[in-house]
Amino acid sequence: DTEVTQTPKHLVMGMTNKKSLKCEQHMGHRAMYWYKQKAKKPPELMFVYSYEKLSINESVPSRFSPECPNSSLLNLHLHALQPEDSALYLCASSHSQTGSGTDTQYFGPGTRLTVL
Amino acid sequence: AQKVTQAQTEISVVEKEDVTLDCVYETRDTTYYLFWYKQPPSGELVFLIRRNSFDEQNEISGRYSWNFQKSTSSFNFTITASQVVDSAVYFCALSEWNRDDKIIFGKGTRLHILP
Repeated sequence: DTEVTQTPKHLVMGMTNKKSLKCEQHMGHRAMYWYKQKAKKPPELMFVYSYEKLSINESVPSRFSPECPNSSLLNLHLHALQPEDSALYLCASSHSQTGSGTDTQYFGPGTRLTVL
Repeated sequence: AQKVTQAQTEISVVEKEDVTLDCVYETRDTTYYLFWYKQPPSGELVFLIRRNSFDEQNEISGRYSWNFQKSTSSFNFTITASQVVDSAVYFCALSEWNRDDKIIFGKGTRLHILP
């Protein structure tokens, strides 16, 4: 089973709202990722959690706040977003037992976010 | 620096035709991994294949096949007897050993299979 689930599937929010995206995997993977994908572009890495600790932050604005409550869950808290933050947000997970970065990443279906 | 080039932005073929998606990569490492992912209109990135730099054997999986050639730094993907369900964006990606869980995606090739 290589399933990563994400909720919600769609989210519309105003610039003053606070919302959260949720990602879950039950494959025993120890690395989890957030990506942002704009239309007709490849995914861009935002954050990586390895063994529940933040290991990579790709200089993401502080209005995006990740959280990893346990090894199966990954959240992305959103606050005071801008319209240009509208995108598909993808979560992924991998074994990452070696930390080499070469393990396969398995992606969820994504959350389509619209910021008004 | 590592880099992945997918020169074909968009391809259209008629159903049942064969189609090859090109991927050229750049890396200074001797140990690296290459991937292909499929992204249908629904948005989910679907893993297709992972190949390490020491294994140049071609891979076949049903109608899909992959040709890895280190001499030309290419990892091309062929779909035989294409079907409408193959319509999607296909991404080639590269990861180097000890690169902190990062993979570099190409810009993707949008494939249209016409009925």
